[in-house]
Amino acid sequence: KQEVTQIPAALSVPEGENLVLNCSFTDSAIYNLQWFRQDPGKGLTSLLLIQSSQREQTSGRLNASLDKSSGRSTLYIAASQPGDSATYLCAVSWGDKIIFGKGTRLHILP
Amino acid sequence: GAVVSQHPSWVICKSGTSVKIECRSLDFQATTMFWYRQFPKQSLMLMATSNEGSKATYEQGVEKDKFLINHASLTLSTLTVTSAHPEDSSFYICSAGLKGGLVITDTQYFGPGTRLTVL
Repeated sequence: KQEVTQIPAALSVPEGENLVLNCSFTDSAIYNLQWFRQDPGKGLTSLLLIQSSQREQTSGRLNASLDKSSGRSTLYIAASQPGDSATYLCAVSWGDKIIFGKGTRLHILP
Repeated sequence: GAVVSQHPSWVICKSGTSVKIECRSLDFQATTMFWYRQFPKQSLMLMATSNEGSKATYEQGVEKDKFLINHASLTLSTLTVTSAHPEDSSFYICSAGLKGGLVITDTQYFGPGTRLTVL
């Protein structure tokens, strides 16, 4: 059974710290993995998309890595800011379906 | 880049009424569109897969007579929540895959979502 798990469910860190969000998945035969940001009451904002052939993607202060063999992806946020507070979702595509994790609620403390 | 829009972004309706949500791919053709639902503090769950010109495929547990999906063109899919009830209040998001040789393995582009509140 294909599953996506995100740990922790919630995280609070002081402003300026670097942090890592984790996403794990069963069945390593993925097509791609995508990280999203979701603000309360809002839609999804795509942050980074990693194809199955890639190891990492970077955008500004964000870096996402992918290790298919271990079924893991991490989202690294450097120099966190209060504006980074949101829920971060990981979505894994196996071609015939996309499964979302439940997300990590991130709170950056000013 | 590929853009997907949804309309309306939020809607409040009375119990028993029907609500239509539109999903449009603005600058590309989408052979397949997907509809997701997200209840509070839950992950997004796929409701149905909509293929242009054919009937939608619903996930287990999703009532096809209640959630009517129409994919009349390569740029538009609609989700109609019929006889809405408070338990249908949720966040509905659509996504669209680029037209091409590959379909659902293509990158999906997500709409901004529609928040439905049924009183």
